[in-house]
Amino acid sequence: DADVTQTPRNRITKTGKRIMLECSQTKGHDRMYWYRQDPGLGLRLIYYSFDVKDINKGEISDGYSVSRQAQAKFSLSLESAIPNQTALYFCATSDLRDYNEQFFGPGTRLTVL
Amino acid sequence: QKEVEQNSGPLSVPEGAIASLNCTYSDRGSQSFFWYRQYSGKSPELIMFIYSNGDKEDGRFTAQLNKASQYVSLLIRDSQPSDSATYLCAVGDKLIFGTGTLLAVQP
Repeated sequence: DADVTQTPRNRITKTGKRIMLECSQTKGHDRMYWYRQDPGLGLRLIYYSFDVKDINKGEISDGYSVSRQAQAKFSLSLESAIPNQTALYFCATSDLRDYNEQFFGPGTRLTVL
Repeated sequence: QKEVEQNSGPLSVPEGAIASLNCTYSDRGSQSFFWYRQYSGKSPELIMFIYSNGDKEDGRFTAQLNKASQYVSLLIRDSQPSDSATYLCAVGDKLIFGTGTLLAVQP
């Protein structure tokens, strides 16, 4: 089984719809992150969580919200999707005790029509 | 000014040459620095990290950190066509990424 899984892998939705992207990890890492990737813009941090009770906004949090349901689960929600949110979304985890322990999920390709 | 900056490239080098990738950052308090490789259509994967000034070597890869000048670089020795990818620099515990540099190694 993959260390970090993301569901769905692909999603097409319409403007105004609410959508949730889910991330699960089996590594036991405390730290989890959500990024979006757009051509030419690299990875931009949306939200990050260093603990189940610690949630922080990243560089581009407007229009997004997150929920850390458990150490292993970190969900990203778009309350009212807009076409500008069409992107590739990645979840990542890291271990605060070992910098080598960092893993990305396979990504979710989201299209908002 | 972006927190982490990289030249987008493409950087083209011949096979067997040394590829040099650079990254600058704005937060002087940053303590940890990471290099990732991302193949087209794939997830980023960690190559190496560095947190002390100086050089850190791992196989064909060498990371260099200069905190006074706020830059970190990655050298790839004996570049191979399989090294062709986008190289991403990330800084700090928040893992703030640069835009990445596209490297093309020509056979």
